[in-house]
Amino acid sequence: NAGVTQTPKFQVLKTGQSMTLQCAQDMNHEYMSWYRQDPGMGLRLIHYSVGAGITDQGEVPNGYNVSRSTTEDFPLRLLSAAPSQTSVYFCASSATQGGETQYFGPGTRLLVL
Amino acid sequence: GDSVTQMEGPVTLSEEAFLTINCTYTATGYPSLFWYVQYPGEGLQLLLKATKADDKGSNKGFEATYRKETTSFHLEKGSVQVSDSAVYFCALSGYSSASKIIFGSGTRLSIRP
Repeated sequence: NAGVTQTPKFQVLKTGQSMTLQCAQDMNHEYMSWYRQDPGMGLRLIHYSVGAGITDQGEVPNGYNVSRSTTEDFPLRLLSAAPSQTSVYFCASSATQGGETQYFGPGTRLLVL
Repeated sequence: GDSVTQMEGPVTLSEEAFLTINCTYTATGYPSLFWYVQYPGEGLQLLLKATKADDKGSNKGFEATYRKETTSFHLEKGSVQVSDSAVYFCALSGYSSASKIIFGSGTRLSIRP
């Protein structure tokens, strides 16, 4: 099993550009989520999904969109990048929501100029 | 709402020293508690967890006991190694957070040879 994979590993964007961060898992997990990690602030939940076709907002959803058309994939879209979105983004999955071990991808480092 | 507070870092210790990283939480009911570890350049991975009061989670020489009376889940290790250098995150998943995982801000640990 590859576990949770993320692409790209690193990306530089200009303000106003859009892009999609890819996330895929091969463990048949129902629950997937996106976090951003900023210095001194731990991980903050952006969006999450409890299954294909179902998504919901987390703590910091503004400026991001998600969709979940399959169990395996959970892409994160930045519609119009801003410098405040410079961060490291992690995708995670677990078999169910709550009380379960979350498996994290290696992260995408995003720099918005 | 649910929250996690952990000691600020960085924490620097000599090899073979005793380690304690404090973590306290605020939550309704009986959340599940976790410690995740992030090695340089990698995503988070589960270190240990406990799902009910008085449970002790343990892994790789690390231990933490779920203390309901003090709402704490302190991480301990009797003799640290250079390879333990990483960032450690305390986290919880509970009823009032709709079973989403809430992370603390992380504690950076550096071990000197």
